[in-house]
Amino acid sequence: AQSVAQPEDQVNVAEGNPLTVKCTYSVSGNPYLFWYVQYPNRGLQFLLKYITGDNLVKGSYGFEAEFNKSQTSFHLKKPSALVSDSALYFCAVRDRDGNNRLAFGKGNQVVVIP
Amino acid sequence: DGGITQSPKYLFRKEGQNVTLSCEQNLNHDAMYWYRQDPGQGLRLIYYSQIVNDFQKGDIAEGYSVSREKKESFPLTVTSAQKNPTAFYLCASTVLGNQPQHFGDGTRLSIL
Repeated sequence: AQSVAQPEDQVNVAEGNPLTVKCTYSVSGNPYLFWYVQYPNRGLQFLLKYITGDNLVKGSYGFEAEFNKSQTSFHLKKPSALVSDSALYFCAVRDRDGNNRLAFGKGNQVVVIP
Repeated sequence: DGGITQSPKYLFRKEGQNVTLSCEQNLNHDAMYWYRQDPGQGLRLIYYSQIVNDFQKGDIAEGYSVSREKKESFPLTVTSAQKNPTAFYLCASTVLGNQPQHFGDGTRLSIL
């Protein structure tokens, strides 16, 4: 069964500093990987995905993520964090069979300090 | 605008009562999903449907029921058998394949 680990409960970063949110996954075969962001009392918003091709994926709002097959990781990064990036971030994985089910990590709260 | 609409935004359930959460999408998506979100636990899949008149149990289906009579609608009923229903419920949809799921803005269910 597919699974995701997001090892840190909360990530604190000063505004303007680089932001990294970690994600490791477990899946049989090659994965589809996704990052989502959630603001309070809202649904999840899609940020970016890895399907195939370049290991560095660029997404919305200046975010990017690097797929590392040997380390089974898909860390989310942003070169310069904004206060408005403070939110809950979820990594998700699914395998390439036909069931279209995603497995989500427990989420990371990001706090950007002004 | 295309999107997913969940209603109501807040819902209160009395002891022994069944309640139904609505989810409607106008994205022409094939697949629809229901998740439960509890603090610190991420999203857990309750039920999903990839085609009209068919649905499958997710990881925590006990105490819940669904129907998929129309492509655009996937209501979730929280039955009295669900003893701990207080949570934030999220509906999502997607086209089949490798596309991301799109989410509604959720329904927060509480017990009176």
